[in-house]
Amino acid sequence: NAGVTQTPKFQVLKTGQSMTLQCAQDMNHEYMSWYRQDPGMGLRLIHYSVGAGITDQGEVPNGYNVSRSTTEDFPLRLLSAAPSQTSVYFCASSYGPPSSYTFGSGTRLTVV
Amino acid sequence: ILNVEQSPQSLHVQEGDSTNFTCSFPSSNFYALHWYRWETAKSPEALFVMTLNGDEKKKGRISATLNTKEGYSYLYIKGSQPEDSATYLCAFMKTSYDKVIFGPGTSLSVIP
Repeated sequence: NAGVTQTPKFQVLKTGQSMTLQCAQDMNHEYMSWYRQDPGMGLRLIHYSVGAGITDQGEVPNGYNVSRSTTEDFPLRLLSAAPSQTSVYFCASSYGPPSSYTFGSGTRLTVV
Repeated sequence: ILNVEQSPQSLHVQEGDSTNFTCSFPSSNFYALHWYRWETAKSPEALFVMTLNGDEKKKGRISATLNTKEGYSYLYIKGSQPEDSATYLCAFMKTSYDKVIFGPGTSLSVIP
């Protein structure tokens, strides 16, 4: 049972480049979320989804897009990378409230 | 933006000491509170899901209590061990259809 799989684990981008962080889960979870981890700020919610075809913004959505065409996948797109987007990104999923989240192993992104 | 706070920010205790820390959240609406344990270089792992005022949960030496009327939850660790060293996160949901917002975490170091 793979759980939540994030790819890539590490990525270096140049300012202005775009890329997609992949997230897939095999637990048939309805809820999926993207968080970024920054020093001293814990986990901040970027976007979340309560089911296929439904997404909403979190606390820090600017510069990121998401879509949820299937239950399993929830990719995060950086449209034009900026140094401020250097962070560790976590994808998480759950069956839905009040269930807790299962986290992926994270993607460490550096924008230079 | 919901304000979820945790105190203290960090804590250093001797092996064998018992310790506790606090998660504070808005008391006006409450649906669920999660506690997670996050070891360095790993992903957060769920400890407890708390949904009812007065809830008490226990897992080995770790326990948690919940007071929704005053907007706080305590996490207790009895007889701390070096392997308890981690960041402990709480996460709050105001309603069943709302986003999950994390606090900044309490970093615990247990000195052998």
